[in-house]
Amino acid sequence: GENVEQHPSTLSVQEGDSAVIKCTYSDSASNYFPWYKQELGKGPQLIIDIRSNVGEKKDQRIAVTLNKTAKHFSLHITETQPEDSAVYFCAASIFGSARQLTFGSGTQLTVLP
Amino acid sequence: DAGVIQSPRHEVTEMGQEVTLRCKPISGHDYLFWYRQTMMRGLELLIYFNNNVPIDDSGMPEDRFSAKMPNASFSTLKIQPSEPRDSAVYFCASRPTGGSYNEQFFGPGTRLTVL
Repeated sequence: GENVEQHPSTLSVQEGDSAVIKCTYSDSASNYFPWYKQELGKGPQLIIDIRSNVGEKKDQRIAVTLNKTAKHFSLHITETQPEDSAVYFCAASIFGSARQLTFGSGTQLTVLP
Repeated sequence: DAGVIQSPRHEVTEMGQEVTLRCKPISGHDYLFWYRQTMMRGLELLIYFNNNVPIDDSGMPEDRFSAKMPNASFSTLKIQPSEPRDSAVYFCASRPTGGSYNEQFFGPGTRLTVL
């Protein structure tokens, strides 16, 4: 089955700096890579996703990059703000299939004011 | 839509007691998932249903855990008897069926503490 590894487990950045979280996956058949954000006391919420037919996707201050050859993908947050502080999870799946998401172990991001 | 609804939000119980967690998925969603989140093991998929039928329960840790989905709008996760190591946050999530939907919508979770 699929195995997703996520690094780092904790990350602290100064407000305004960039943050990068990296994930690797094992199953070359995976082609859908979402990122979820979990705020304190809430369930995870999808913030951005990417399919394997593109190498990068951006949404305002958030971007995700994908390297299918190396089987890794990353989340980039620019101009970080205190409200970006949360736990971020990467995941992998096969788009439109019955195979469910395999989540990474999570990264606790803290943005220091 | 109110989103995925879970109850109770917090549960404190003593070892050996039965615990029942409840979930109402988003209307029209055909998949329902139960996850457990702990510091040590992260987010673990316990079981998921499709059209009220359990599809994969390989993540259910022990026979003490059971889950049911009697209809499209309600599911329960039961632990009997509960143990301190069951303390965790339990999430329910749902998603629609169809070829182009993979996003899972999570509920707010139930924080379970077993003393």
